[in-house]
Amino acid sequence: SQQGEEDPQALSIQEGENATMNCSYKTSINNLQWYRQNSGRGLVHLILIRSNEREKHSGRLRVTLDTSKKSSSLLITASRAADTASYFCATGGRLRDDKIIFGKGTRLHILP
Amino acid sequence: EAQVTQNPRYLITVTGKKLTVTCSQNMNHEYMSWYRQDPGLGLRQIYYSMNVEVTDKGDVPEGYKVSRKEKRNFPLILESPSPNQTSLYFCASSLRTSGGLNEQFFGPGTRLTVL
Repeated sequence: SQQGEEDPQALSIQEGENATMNCSYKTSINNLQWYRQNSGRGLVHLILIRSNEREKHSGRLRVTLDTSKKSSSLLITASRAADTASYFCATGGRLRDDKIIFGKGTRLHILP
Repeated sequence: EAQVTQNPRYLITVTGKKLTVTCSQNMNHEYMSWYRQDPGLGLRQIYYSMNVEVTDKGDVPEGYKVSRKEKRNFPLILESPSPNQTSLYFCASSLRTSGGLNEQFFGPGTRLTVL
């Protein structure tokens, strides 16, 4: 069963612009994580936000979490060509956070 | 260097021929997991392990087996592979604290084709 669903499925923006991706989930969570994947390679962890947090920053990344709406957003500011990748959210359930559910991902393409 | 390794990286096999994909981590992580990635479906969890001798099913366990005899290793076994198991497989590990699971570290992936 799919828990996280990213939106949009694909996004193309000009270099230097901001990119926003959204993730919706269905059940109560313990935490939510965002990962990046470059072209069929292994996933790289970007940021983890816990259910009692509303916002978190890491460099050019900003993640928000709204547990009342069961949604999260990932903002990448001042995008670069190297940000071209697929981005996934992953949730761990409140009762069983060891069972991880990934969304289908957003493909981000940064245009030069 | 902290890492998760998988072998083999690429494998082409035939239906019914048993195979094992190995996964090893050197970070002393309690939690390990296997995922498969298929176009349009994202990553789906196959099996996971909270610690040695403790394994549990993910969302798509049918046709797979795992074992966790040592903390560092978590092999994925396909007893009788079928073409619908053609996929990209990832192993991952994570530290577990009182606050729950932390970030997962992923291996480079194993691309499996079953003819």
